[in-house]
Amino acid sequence: DIQMTQSPSSLSASVGDRVTITCRASQGISNYLAWYQQKPGKVPKVLIYAASTLQSGVPSRFSGSGSGTDFTLTISSLQPEDVATYYCQKYDSVPRTFGQGTKVEIK
Amino acid sequence: QVQLVESGGGVVQPGTSLRLSCAASGFTFSSYAMHWVRQAPGKGLEWVAVISYDGSNSKYGDSVKGRFSLSRDNSKNTLYLEMNSLRPEDTAVYYCARGSTVGYKLPHDYWGQGTLVTVSS
Repeated sequence: DIQMTQSPSSLSASVGDRVTITCRASQGISNYLAWYQQKPGKVPKVLIYAASTLQSGVPSRFSGSGSGTDFTLTISSLQPEDVATYYCQKYDSVPRTFGQGTKVEIK
Repeated sequence: QVQLVESGGGVVQPGTSLRLSCAASGFTFSSYAMHWVRQAPGKGLEWVAVISYDGSNSKYGDSVKGRFSLSRDNSKNTLYLEMNSLRPEDTAVYYCARGSTVGYKLPHDYWGQGTLVTVSS
C-alpha cells in the first residue's frame, strides 16, 4: 500500500505568516490528492482536491500544488481561524490513506 | 442540501458486535460510493472501508479486514457498517463520507457528524 507522509507534524506561526505543509506519497498518485482541515471538535472539511483545486467556499489564501509524489498546502497569510489540524489524503485508489496530520497553531 | 447522519454508536464489550448506520439525503445516493473513516481519541484520521455505488463491491483497510462488513440499501438511502469481534483499538468516532461517483474520482466532499464507538470491558 502507498504511504502518505506529512511534515511537519506541528507548527506555530504568527498571524499573517505564510505557512507551508508538505505531503509525500511513497508511490506516484498523479494528482489524486486532497487536503482536509479539521478544527478542534469538528468534522473534517475538504479544502483542496485534485492537488490544486480549491473547494467551493474555501478562502483563496489556501492553495495546493504538486503531482506524482510530492505535494504542498500553502496558507498565504495565516489567520486565527486557521488553527486546525490539516491532513492530506490520496484518493486514486483504495486504501485512501491519510497523512498523519499537521497541527497548526498561532504563535 | 447534502446530509449524512450516522447512528448506532455506543459502548460495547470486546469481542461483541455493533452495527452503524448512515442515512443520506440531498443527493442521488445510488450514484456514489460511500466510505467510513474513523478517528481514535486524540489521533488522526484512518480510512476504514468503501462500498461501490451499487453495493456490488467493497474494500476494507487491513485493520478491519475480516471483521467489518459494509452494505447499503439504495431504496432507503442508507449505508451500514457491521462491526464484529470488536477490539479496544476500534474505539473511535466513525464518520461516513461520500466518495466517488461513476466515472469521477472524488475526495470526501461530505461527511456525517460522526458516531462514537467505545470498546471497553
